[in-house]
Amino acid sequence: EPEVTQTPSHQVTQMGQEVILRCVPISNHLYFYWYRQILGQKVEFLVSFYNNEISEKSEIFDDQFSVERPDGSNFTLKIRSTKLEDSAMYFCASRTGQRNTEAFFGQGTRLTVV
Amino acid sequence: QKEVEQNSGPLSVPEGAIASLNCTYSDRGSQSFFWYRQYSGKSPELIMFIYSNGDKEDGRFTAQLNKASQYVSLLIRDSQPSDSATYLCAVRRTGNQFYFGTGTSLTVIP
Repeated sequence: EPEVTQTPSHQVTQMGQEVILRCVPISNHLYFYWYRQILGQKVEFLVSFYNNEISEKSEIFDDQFSVERPDGSNFTLKIRSTKLEDSAMYFCASRTGQRNTEAFFGQGTRLTVV
Repeated sequence: QKEVEQNSGPLSVPEGAIASLNCTYSDRGSQSFFWYRQYSGKSPELIMFIYSNGDKEDGRFTAQLNKASQYVSLLIRDSQPSDSATYLCAVRRTGNQFYFGTGTSLTVIP
């Protein structure tokens, strides 16, 4: 069964460093998402991506965040200068272009900023 | 006002009972409604989705949608200990993003 894959599963980084979280969405999907979940809190929307550009982003997705689809299969989230409060589980999701379809989530990358 | 509201629980039911999970949403323009299950430390996995008023059944799960009341629920019949998890209600409006509630923690007691 097709699935969204994310790497790495766990990333530890020092405050101020740049990190890149990687995702491979399901191959025929057209919409891509990044969500984050701080431990014990709700799943929060960061950004959605369609047709090679950002379609929506939340207030959380400020200038330190960027997304890219560099090669037609990978979908990356870059955090330029990590802060302690960026420590969270980051989920990538994708869905088809059809109406009323669900988003499929990857297994997540746990980011720990120290 | 929160986009999606859920009672955080915890909700405890005995094995074999019906678990009822509720969710309200604020935007009347919301189009699609999803229930995800999340085990601790894992990613959300889809249980069911619904976009028309009424009931939708899939095995032991029934989703109910009432757009007039802006209310969506999930019933789990014959609850099993393996159903113990956090259940996330998600709503998609006219745009692309999914709004998640805080989740309801369910414990099924053997």
